[in-house]
Amino acid sequence: DAKTTQPPSMDCAEGRAANLPCNHSTISGNEYVYWYRQIHSQGPQYIIHGLKNNETNEMASLIITEDRKSSTLILPHATLRDTAVYYCIVRVLNTGTASKLTFGTGTRLQVTL
Amino acid sequence: NAGVMQNPRHLVRRRGQEARLRCSPMKGHSHVYWYRQLPEEGLKFMVYLQKENIIDESGMPKERFSAEFPKEGPSILRIQQVVRGDSAAYFCASSPPGRSFTDTQYFGPGTRLTVL
Repeated sequence: DAKTTQPPSMDCAEGRAANLPCNHSTISGNEYVYWYRQIHSQGPQYIIHGLKNNETNEMASLIITEDRKSSTLILPHATLRDTAVYYCIVRVLNTGTASKLTFGTGTRLQVTL
Repeated sequence: NAGVMQNPRHLVRRRGQEARLRCSPMKGHSHVYWYRQLPEEGLKFMVYLQKENIIDESGMPKERFSAEFPKEGPSILRIQQVVRGDSAAYFCASSPPGRSFTDTQYFGPGTRLTVL
C-alpha cells in the first residue's frame, strides 16, 4: 500500500471548516483513499473513501486532486466532538479479497471554542 | 443493526495466564480483522479471517497468539502465557462478503488488555 504523509496536529475553531490534508504521491491507479478517525482510544470510525472523484456524505467531504497525489478531508462545521486523530489510508484494490488497513500516525485535530 | 461487538471491554491477566478476546461481527459480515494498538502508538494489523479460514496472518506474532473464526459463534483472539508487553487495546473490525473489492471495515469498541 502507498505511504501517506499527514501533519501531526492541527487546530480548528468550533463552527469553522476543518481541512485535513494528506499526501500520497506514490498512490497507484487501483488504490482508494480512505479516511478514519479515532476519538480518544475508541474504535476507529469510518468517515469516507474515494478513488478519483470528489465524494461527500453526511460526515465530510473528500477532495482528491486530479493527479491523485494528495487529498483533503473537509469537516464543514467542526464541533468539539470532532476532536480526534484522523487517519488517511490508501488501500490497494484486491481481486476477490478485502485487504488490511495500514494506519500511519495520523493528524491530531483539536477543535477549540 | 448492531455494530461490531467485542467482549470483554477490559481484561486483566497476570503474567503467564491466557487471554481470550471475542469479536462478533456486524450482521451479514463474514470478514473479520484484528488490530492491536500499543500505548501511544497507531493500530497495527494482526490477522484477517473469513469463516473457518485464516486469510492473512502476516501481522500475528509467531508465538503465543492464535485466532479463529468458527462457522458458528464469534471470532476469538487467543493469547497464551501473556507477558506485560501484550498490554494493549485490541480492536476487531468486520466487512461484508466480498461483493466489492473495497469493502469498508467497521470497528468495534476494543478490548483493553492489562497484564500485571
